[in-house]
Amino acid sequence: DAGVIQSPRHEVTEMGQEVTLRCKLISGHNSLFWYRQTMMRGLELLIYFNNNVPIDDSGMPEDRFSAKMPNASFSTLKIQPSEPRDSAVYFCASSLVQRGSGELFFGEGSRLTVL
Amino acid sequence: QQPVQSPQAVILREGEDAVINCSSSKALYSVHWYRQKHGEAPVFLMILLKGGEQKGHEKISASFNEKKQQSSLYLTASQLSYSGTYFCGTEYYGQNFVFGPGTRLSVLP
Repeated sequence: DAGVIQSPRHEVTEMGQEVTLRCKLISGHNSLFWYRQTMMRGLELLIYFNNNVPIDDSGMPEDRFSAKMPNASFSTLKIQPSEPRDSAVYFCASSLVQRGSGELFFGEGSRLTVL
Repeated sequence: QQPVQSPQAVILREGEDAVINCSSSKALYSVHWYRQKHGEAPVFLMILLKGGEQKGHEKISASFNEKKQQSSLYLTASQLSYSGTYFCGTEYYGQNFVFGPGTRLSVLP
């Protein structure tokens, strides 16, 4: 079975540009998590969805960040406008269980560099 | 509330044992352990629920002390493949799962 699929794997952009990261969940999973990883802050939960509904977005840094889940298998994380401090690896993870209570299956990550 | 992990980093020779600790200031519902190799995504190792250990992985096991609000990950007879950063994740009653800062493990030949 295919795992969680993220795209793009690498993105280099200039400050002020819009960035869209994409994630395809494992079939049958109903929870989706977006994480951001940096050396300084570690693995931070940005937002999580259950059954396509955003449950907790308290980790979203500011209004420049938005996430959607238009259907049960796909999600996007958008940053507009991007800033250099947004540079990080963004992971999405899916799970069969709410709130991360069960195993999280991570995608390979999207490495974002904002110049 | 992020759990505390110790040590921050450890260097071993192949065949040596290591213990990584994870502690919380609040009562825990469960503790999860993940390993992340350099440049890769975190991979689930095991989850420990209140009342006991649920799963083990290779020569890696863990304990969960509810009273002390802490968990320990035991790596026995370490192999080169064990190198990576180990994260504990803690789940509190009614709250979201939170990852710790990680412990970097390096196993040398």
